[in-house]
Amino acid sequence: GQNIDQPTEMTATEGAIVQINCTYQTSGFNGLFWYQQHAGEAPTFLSYNVLDGLEEKGRFSSFLSRSKGYSYLLLKELQMKDSASYLCAVKGYSTLTFGKGTMLLVSP
Amino acid sequence: EAGVVQSPRYKIIEKKQPVAFWCNPISGHNTLYWYRQNLGQGPELLIRYENEEAVDDSQLPKDRFSAERLKGVDSTLKIQPAELGDSAVYLCASSAGQETQYFGPGTRLLVL
Repeated sequence: GQNIDQPTEMTATEGAIVQINCTYQTSGFNGLFWYQQHAGEAPTFLSYNVLDGLEEKGRFSSFLSRSKGYSYLLLKELQMKDSASYLCAVKGYSTLTFGKGTMLLVSP
Repeated sequence: EAGVVQSPRYKIIEKKQPVAFWCNPISGHNTLYWYRQNLGQGPELLIRYENEEAVDDSQLPKDRFSAERLKGVDSTLKIQPAELGDSAVYLCASSAGQETQYFGPGTRLLVL
């Protein structure tokens, strides 16, 4: 089975940088996804890591360490619209298992 | 390109009533997923289809839930009879094989 842990809530200020951590224990690993979910909306794909290291995509970057069972999502130059829940999801043999999500609140 | 389409967006029913949700995946995506998301939780997989075949329905409560994807394109998820604990958001997602999953807007179900 999969066990995924991420903080429940985080707060940050507009323009700042925030790092959302995710740790996991899995019986099979074929990649780690990050999704963004605004209140009342569907999750939208942000990033995918299957190899160790940092993947950068604009203001968002995602890091993976398979040996440590650890990933983080880095958000730079925070904007008010970044207030949302961020879901870490591990792909096992064929399915995704999601964490409970981290609610990020960006304040002015 | 159109995304995943779901209907209805909202549904309020009384307990013991039946309810059905419909999903049309992204064109060309052969894999379709139904998830349930409770408040403050991540989505939990109910069933996964590859084309018209249900390849993983281990988390589907089969006493009251059923799903079909007869022609390998759109899909219907049904609950009969609904219980209070079924109140949740039902999300449909699709992917090209085992690639990235893309989600629809979801159906918000409230059972009274």
